Amino acid sequence: AQKITQTQPGMFVQEKEAVTLDCTYDTSDPSYGLFWYKQPSSGEMIFLIYQGSYDQQNATEGRYSLNFQKARKSANLVISASQLGDSAMYFCATSGGYQKVTFGIGTKLQVIP
Amino acid sequence: GAGVSQTPSNKVTEKGKYVELRCDPISGHTALYWYRQSLGQGPEFLIYFQGTGAADDSGLPNDRFFAVRPEGSVSTLKIQRTERGDSAVYLCASSLTSQGAGSPLHFGNGTRLTVT
Repeated sequence: AQKITQTQPGMFVQEKEAVTLDCTYDTSDPSYGLFWYKQPSSGEMIFLIYQGSYDQQNATEGRYSLNFQKARKSANLVISASQLGDSAMYFCATSGGYQKVTFGIGTKLQVIP
Repeated sequence: GAGVSQTPSNKVTEKGKYVELRCDPISGHTALYWYRQSLGQGPEFLIYFQGTGAADDSGLPNDRFFAVRPEGSVSTLKIQRTERGDSAVYLCASSLTSQGAGSPLHFGNGTRLTVT
């Protein structure tokens, strides 16, 4: 069984500042993946970043980085230099082996000008 | 290239009616997923296909829900005897391989189902 916990229902960040969105996970699989998706008010789900459980380095994609702490079972998303267009829902997700992807309940990020 | 296409984008039906929701994945993607998203919630897994077969249907809430992917491409989610609690956005996603291998899900824009 897999579980994702996102404890921040809403977050505010000043434009151009960095923000960290928290995610903890629980899985019984020895090999798993961690993902972050963005969902703007338009409703589309946009893939942001992926981290494999055996990857030695934290994943980065442009302004997005994933702070992976395996012992703590956390996979926090860091967004640097926030932009107004970053305002959206953010979902953390996990998968194990060749299994279904389990999503958290999301964090609503609002970027303030 | 074209993304994941879902039709219809909106569907309003009366309680007790039958509905079909269609998903056309990205060409060449072998894995196809259906999720349901209620307001203020994360996507809830329903079923996952690898090719033509359902690899995991553990998320289907009951036997009123059924999905097929007969030729390994287009998939249809079928809901019989709809109930008001079925109202949600139904999301389809496809990926090049299964998600566990790190291949990201590509989502469609969803079908908003409203049961009156």
